[in-house]
Amino acid sequence: GNSVTQMEGPVTLSEEAFLTINCTYTATGYPSLFWYVQYPGEGLQLLLKATKADDKGSNKGFEATYRKETTSFHLEKGSVQVSDSAVYFCALRTSGSRLTFGEGTQLTVNP
Amino acid sequence: DVKVTQSSRYLVKRTGEKVFLECVQDMDHENMFWYRQDPGLGLRLIYFSYDVKMKEKGDIPEGYSVSREKKERFSLILESASTNQTSMYLCASRPGQGARDEKLFFGSGTQLSVL
Repeated sequence: GNSVTQMEGPVTLSEEAFLTINCTYTATGYPSLFWYVQYPGEGLQLLLKATKADDKGSNKGFEATYRKETTSFHLEKGSVQVSDSAVYFCALRTSGSRLTFGEGTQLTVNP
Repeated sequence: DVKVTQSSRYLVKRTGEKVFLECVQDMDHENMFWYRQDPGLGLRLIYFSYDVKMKEKGDIPEGYSVSREKKERFSLILESASTNQTSMYLCASRPGQGARDEKLFFGSGTQLSVL
């Protein structure tokens, strides 16, 4: 079946540090890959996505590249801000409407 | 903007009670979902529905049922609440198959405590 594995958190960084959150997946077929973000007290919202191998999704300074050879979709940002503090979820979708989510990674950015 | 509204932000119930969690979306989406969110486990799919009166079990349906009598409303029912159902419950919606936008729209969640 499908599964998503994220790096364990929590992750604590200082403002302007470089961020990487690792995500690897197992899936049948050719999945679409997503990063969702959950800010405190809110539901999840889509951060970025990639639908085929070598695609790069980007939004708000975050990037992730769909790597079929390593079955990975790592999230990166060159310079984090305090406002990026949130829980980040990697997810995949194959056919149909169901998404499979990873465990989530809590990020805290200190000033 | 799409709005997905969950009826309660916080809910406290007693073991054995019947619990209804309500979710309403205002964008005429075909697909609706109920997830629970637990620390270290991420989001797990309980049930989903791809049309009125249609439902399918997700990964952890035991102890839950759902109702979708109208397109905009998707209810999650705990027939007899138990302490292990204490969790954050998230509702989400999405347009139907073939829609250009793949993303899910989430509500803010209901934190349910079962005592």
